Amino acid sequence: EAGVAQSPRYKIIEKRQSVAFWCNPISGHATLYWYQQILGQGPKLLIQFQNNGVVDDSQLPKDRFSAERLKGVDSTLKIQPAKLEDSAVYLCASNGQGDSYEQYFGPGTRLTVT
Amino acid sequence: SQQGEEDPQALSIQEGENATMNCSYKTSINNLQWYRQNSGRGLVHLILIRSNEREKHSGRLRVTLDTSKKSSSLLITASRAADTASYFCATDGTGYSTLTFGKGTMLLVSP
Repeated sequence: EAGVAQSPRYKIIEKRQSVAFWCNPISGHATLYWYQQILGQGPKLLIQFQNNGVVDDSQLPKDRFSAERLKGVDSTLKIQPAKLEDSAVYLCASNGQGDSYEQYFGPGTRLTVT
Repeated sequence: SQQGEEDPQALSIQEGENATMNCSYKTSINNLQWYRQNSGRGLVHLILIRSNEREKHSGRLRVTLDTSKKSSSLLITASRAADTASYFCATDGTGYSTLTFGKGTMLLVSP
C-alpha cells in the first residue's frame, strides 16, 4: 500500500511570495489533515477535511493560508503572502474508517522563508 | 495551544536500557496516541490507548494511562540505537478524530 505522498520536499522562498504544497493521501482515506510543525514543537493542526468538506479549520490563518481538496482525493495548501514565521515543516496526514483514529503521515515539506 | 506536555524534553540512554517518557494533558479525552518521528521524516503511529484502558503493550512498548491524573507514560524496553527519535503524545479530546500533539521528547540511544 502506497503511503501519503507530498511535494515538494523542500522549498525556499522570500517573504511576501506565495507557495503551494500538494498532498495525495492513502487511497480510500476519507479524512485528510494539514499540520504545521515549527522546529522544536509538535505538529499543530491547520485544517481537516472529510472527503471534500472542511471539518475543522479553526487554527488556519485564513488571511494568508488556504486549502482545498477537490474531488475528495488530493489536496493543496497555499500560503500567500508568506511571512518569516511561516518557516516550518508542513505535514499531510490521512486516515480511513476503521483505523481507530490512527493517522498516516507523509514525509512533509520543509519551508524556509527568507 | 498544545494539549499534551511530554516530560522529559530530552533523554539520553545507552542501548539495552529502558526509556520512559511521560505525557500530561488538560482536558477529557477519548483516546491517547503515541507517535515517533525520526529526524527529517514524518510521524509514525506507535500505539493507541483508549480512555477506559489502563495499560497496553505492543512489542517492546508499554503504555499506561491514568485519566484521574490526566497523564500517560510510554516505556520502551531494551532500547536500540534505531529507537533514536522524537516521541509525541497526541490526544483527541477536541472532536472527531482531531489530534492535539505535545511538544515531544527527544530520545537519543547510544550504542
